[in-house]
Amino acid sequence: EAGVVQSPRYKIIEKKQPVAFWCNPISGHNTLYWYRQNLGQGPELLIRYENEEAVDDSQLPKDRFSAERLKGVDSTLKIQPAELGDSAVYLCASSVSSNQPQHFGDGTRLSIL
Amino acid sequence: GENVEQHPSTLSVQEGDSAVIKCTYSDSASNYFPWYKQELGKGPQLIIDIRSNVGEKKDQRIAVTLNKTAKHFSLHITETQPEDSAVYFCALVSSGSARQLTFGSGTQLTVLP
Repeated sequence: EAGVVQSPRYKIIEKKQPVAFWCNPISGHNTLYWYRQNLGQGPELLIRYENEEAVDDSQLPKDRFSAERLKGVDSTLKIQPAELGDSAVYLCASSVSSNQPQHFGDGTRLSIL
Repeated sequence: GENVEQHPSTLSVQEGDSAVIKCTYSDSASNYFPWYKQELGKGPQLIIDIRSNVGEKKDQRIAVTLNKTAKHFSLHITETQPEDSAVYFCALVSSGSARQLTFGSGTQLTVLP
């Protein structure tokens, strides 16, 4: 089966610009996660979706970050405006349900100039 | 939130030798313990997991052990090969943490030919 697909793989923007990431989860996976991974660290959860509902967004910086999962399949994560400290790899993961193993995409590497 | 301590941060072994990575945690409500392998430029790949009602699980050259009393779990790789070189992350889910996956800080494993 196809894995979690993310695009773009790389993104370089100047600070204060907007940026968006896209994720297509594994078919049939109802739960979708966005993580941020800083260099040399493990991933940290930003938001979790159960179908189209965001059920855990407590660690999402809501002043500049937003996410959506319309129709409960694909998801987008947006940053507006981007700051230098947002440089990281943004990972999407999915699972059949929230108590099942999570499978990750290869991420989007964001660099802020 | 839950903290996971992972050791060592780097590990070098000769091809054919065994590698052991250990993680400790504090929340006795933790009930699911996956291990991920992350290669350069890729997302974390689930390689093995264990639930709190099991003490050991093995899959070919990879095994995980869990000691709930001491609150630690370990990854064992036998007969290491150069392609095992990667960063390995332990993780856990606590039943009281809204099913959030918390990662350790990672171990860079290098298998020397």
